[in-house]
Amino acid sequence: KQEVTQIPAALSVPEGENLVLNCSFTDSAIYNLQWFRQDPGKGLTSLLLIQSSQREQTSGRLNASLDKSSGRSTLYIAASQPGDSATYLCAVIEAETSGSRLTFGEGTQLTVNP
Amino acid sequence: DAGVTQSPTHLIKTRGQHVTLRCSPISGHKSVSWYQQVLGQGPQFIFQYYEKEERGRGNFPDRFSARQFPNYSSELNVNALLLGDSALYLCASSYWTATDTQYFGPGTRLTVL
Repeated sequence: KQEVTQIPAALSVPEGENLVLNCSFTDSAIYNLQWFRQDPGKGLTSLLLIQSSQREQTSGRLNASLDKSSGRSTLYIAASQPGDSATYLCAVIEAETSGSRLTFGEGTQLTVNP
Repeated sequence: DAGVTQSPTHLIKTRGQHVTLRCSPISGHKSVSWYQQVLGQGPQFIFQYYEKEERGRGNFPDRFSARQFPNYSSELNVNALLLGDSALYLCASSYWTATDTQYFGPGTRLTVL
C-alpha cells in the first residue's frame, strides 16, 4: 500500500526566505507526482506535475524535483511572500488497471511572516 | 473557461440522513474523481468515473455511491450519514490518462450533527 509522508508538518519563515518542502513515498512504481496548494477551507490548486520520466519542473518561483528511485520529491519556493501562506500537499498518481488515483500526504502548513 | 464546479458549497445534515453532492468537470474532461478530506488530513480517494463507468474505488463503505452522467457531470451519494462523514468533499476532473493533471473544485463542506 502506497504511503506518502510530508515533512515538516508545519513551517514558519520570514518573508524573503527560500525554503524546501519534502515529500516521500513508499512505492516507487508511480506514473507521476503532483504538488498542490490549499488555502483554508478551500479546494486544491495544482502547482506542478512531474512525470515519472522527468527529474524536475519549474513554474515561476517554484521548482519541484522527483527522485523515483529514492521515493522522494522536494518543492523549492524562492523568495517567499506572505501570499504563499497555505497548506502544500503532494500526491502520487498510481495508475491501476482501469483507472488512476491520487494518494496524498497530510500536507505542510506554511506561514510566511511579513 | 470555467473550472470544476461543485454544489452545494455547504451542507448540514443529521445522522441517518442521505446526501447528494454534485460536480461538473472542466469542459472536455471525461474523468471525474471524488475525494474526502477530514480536517487536518490529506484527501482520501473515494471513486473515479470515466465515460460513465466506475474505474476505481477507495476503501469506503457501501453507503457511498456515485454515478456519472452523459455530460460527464457526477453525483456522490452518501446514505445513513454518520458523524464521521463530516468532511470537505472534493471533486477532481481530468482528460483521462494517468499522466494528465487533475484539477480540483472548491469542495462541498458537509457537517453531520
